[in-house]
Amino acid sequence: AQKVTQAQTEISVVEKEDVTLDCVYETRDTTYYLFWYKQPPSGELVFLIRRNSFDEQNEISGRYSWNFQKSTSSFNFTITASQVVDSAVYFCALSEGEYSTLTFGKGTMLLVSP
Amino acid sequence: EPEVTQTPSHQVTQMGQEVILRCVPISNHLYFYWYRQILGQKVEFLVSFYNNEISEKSEIFDDQFSVERPDGSNFTLKIRSTKLEDSAMYFCASSEDLGDEQFFGPGTRLTVL
Repeated sequence: AQKVTQAQTEISVVEKEDVTLDCVYETRDTTYYLFWYKQPPSGELVFLIRRNSFDEQNEISGRYSWNFQKSTSSFNFTITASQVVDSAVYFCALSEGEYSTLTFGKGTMLLVSP
Repeated sequence: EPEVTQTPSHQVTQMGQEVILRCVPISNHLYFYWYRQILGQKVEFLVSFYNNEISEKSEIFDDQFSVERPDGSNFTLKIRSTKLEDSAMYFCASSEDLGDEQFFGPGTRLTVL
C-alpha cells in the first residue's frame, strides 16, 4: 500500500527565512510519481511539481526547490527567502505507475509572518 | 490558461437529499477524478474516470455515490442520500494522461444539515 508522511504539522517562519517541508513516501512499485500541491487560505489546490521515480535530479523553480532521494524515500520541498504569500498548506502526494490515484499526505501548514 | 471549473461553489442540503456536483474538466484531458477534503483534514481520493467508465474507486465511494459524463464537457458526482458525514469540500480534477499532473478545480463546499 502506498503512503505519504508529512511529519511537520505546522511550521512558522519569519519572512526571508528559508524553510524545508519534509515528505517521506512508501510504495512497493518501481514506477511512481511524486507531487507537491499548495492550498492557500482560499482553498484551491495549486499544482507545483511532478517527479517520476526514474528522475532523481533536483529541481529549482525560482525560490522553490525540490530534493528527491530514493535512498531515503523522501521528496522534500524548500522555499528560499520565504514571503507572506507563501503561507498555505502544502501537500505532498504519490501515485503509482499503472494507477492514477493520488495519495496525499496530511499536509504541512506554513505560516510566514512579516 | 485552461482550468477546471466546478459548480456550485457552495451547496447546502438536508440529510437524505440527493445532490449533484458539477465539473468541467480541461478540454483535452482524458482522465477525470473526484476527491474530497473534510475540513482540516487531508485530501482523499474518491474515484477516477476514463473512457466513459470508472477506472478506480476508493472505499469511500460506496453505492451512495455515482459519477457520470453526460455530455462532452461535464463530469458530475451524485450523492443519492446525503449524510452528515458527507459534509466536505469536493474537488474535481483532470489530467491529460495516466500519471500526469492533475489539475484541480476550485472545489464545491457541501454542507449537510
